[in-house]
Amino acid sequence: DGGITQSPKYLFRKEGQNVTLSCEQNLNHDAMYWYRQDPGQGLRLIYYSQIVNDFQKGDIAEGYSVSREKKESFPLTVTSAQKNPTAFYLCASRPGKGETQYFGPGTRLLVL
Amino acid sequence: GNSVTQMEGPVTLSEEAFLTINCTYTATGYPSLFWYVQYPGEGLQLLLKATKADDKGSNKGFEATYRKETTSFHLEKGSVQVSDSAVYFCALSDSGGSNYKLTFGKGTLLTVNP
Repeated sequence: DGGITQSPKYLFRKEGQNVTLSCEQNLNHDAMYWYRQDPGQGLRLIYYSQIVNDFQKGDIAEGYSVSREKKESFPLTVTSAQKNPTAFYLCASRPGKGETQYFGPGTRLLVL
Repeated sequence: GNSVTQMEGPVTLSEEAFLTINCTYTATGYPSLFWYVQYPGEGLQLLLKATKADDKGSNKGFEATYRKETTSFHLEKGSVQVSDSAVYFCALSDSGGSNYKLTFGKGTLLTVNP
């Protein structure tokens, strides 16, 4: 089945630690996005990529980094510079000629 | 910049009641409009969309009409079910720069009681 997978479902981060969230899609979509969701808030864009080896900052990129070495993969690293990382992280993808974004199941990041 | 405002929740209804969730937007140009639904602990699912003025999106008994004159995209359903309990997000797509970034409202929690 085609779709977007995110792993792990839950992730725990210790102080000063970098953690990486995985996002993989087999939909052959060109564009991929990372969003952060906090309770009672809408989704906020962290980073996005429209093509392999290229990505742009979204509205809240500070403390995060990404890479796009393969079309199907767009991992997000939450660095130690992100002082409030506890949130639900959602990955999305979009076909090259469409506007609709399709979302993965999300990863919940918690700080120990 | 772009923004989306949707009615604050939570909204609590009895089964078979009529549902309206209001959504208004501010945008430059001619955005596409979306409603997404999020069930507890899950990602977002596309519920419906409309790409131009007066378009009506519909799916699973839900409807919304793109009203350019009132900059609105209100979500409606004639008879809700317990299984409709979820958070609903209104969003617009900024196609001006061809990056199709989504701007979301804060979400409305709907609870349907049997």
